[in-house]
Amino acid sequence: EDQVTQSPEALRLQEGESSSLNCSYTVSGLRGLFWYRQDPGKGPEFLFTLYSAGEEKEKERLKATLTKKESFLHITAPKPEDSATYLCAVQGGRDDKIIFGKGTRLHILP
Amino acid sequence: DGGITQSPKYLFRKEGQNVTLSCEQNLNHDAMYWYRQDPGQGLRLIYYSQIVNDFQKGDIAEGYSVSREKKESFPLTVTSAQKNPTAFYLCASTSRNEKLFFGSGTQLSVL
Repeated sequence: EDQVTQSPEALRLQEGESSSLNCSYTVSGLRGLFWYRQDPGKGPEFLFTLYSAGEEKEKERLKATLTKKESFLHITAPKPEDSATYLCAVQGGRDDKIIFGKGTRLHILP
Repeated sequence: DGGITQSPKYLFRKEGQNVTLSCEQNLNHDAMYWYRQDPGQGLRLIYYSQIVNDFQKGDIAEGYSVSREKKESFPLTVTSAQKNPTAFYLCASTSRNEKLFFGSGTQLSVL
C-alpha cells in the first residue's frame, strides 16, 4: 500500500535554530514528491517538486532533498514567519494518485 | 488570472441534508482532486478525476459523491450518509506530473 509518513508531528524551534523535517514514503513508481506549506484556514502553498533520488532544491531558508525512501526539508536559521504546517505528498503507484502525509506543525519562537 | 476557485468559503449543513461544494478551475488542467482535512491532520483523498466523465474513489469516499461533466468543474456533494461531515474541504487540480494547485477551501459545519 502506498504510504507517506512525516516526522516529527510537531516541532518548536528558537529563531535561528536550524533543523530538518522528514518524509518517508513507500510507493511503486514514484512520479514526484511534493512539499507544501499550509497556514491555518488556507489552502496549501507549493514549495518544491522532486523527481529522482539525489535531487535537491532550495528556496530562501528551505532546502529539500530526496532519496529512494525519504525526503528531508531542511530549514536554515528560521524566522517566526516560517511557522506553518509543512505537508509532503507523493504521486505514483498503480492509480497515479497523489497522497499526503499528516504534516509537521512547525513553530518558530522569536 | 488563472486559478482554482472554491465556493462557498463557509457552509452549514442540517441533519439529513445533502450539500454541494463547488470547485472551478481555468488552468486547463485534466486532473482534479478533493481532499478532506480535519484539525491537526493531513489531507485525506475523497475522490479524484483524471479526465472528463471519469472519476475514482479515494481513501474516504463513503458518504460523498462527485461528477465531472466539464473539464473546468468538479463539484463534491456531501450526502446525508456522511455522519461526520465537519471538516475543511480542499479542491485541487494538476497537469500530469506537475504540482497541485489548491483552492482556498470550504469549511463545512453541522448545525
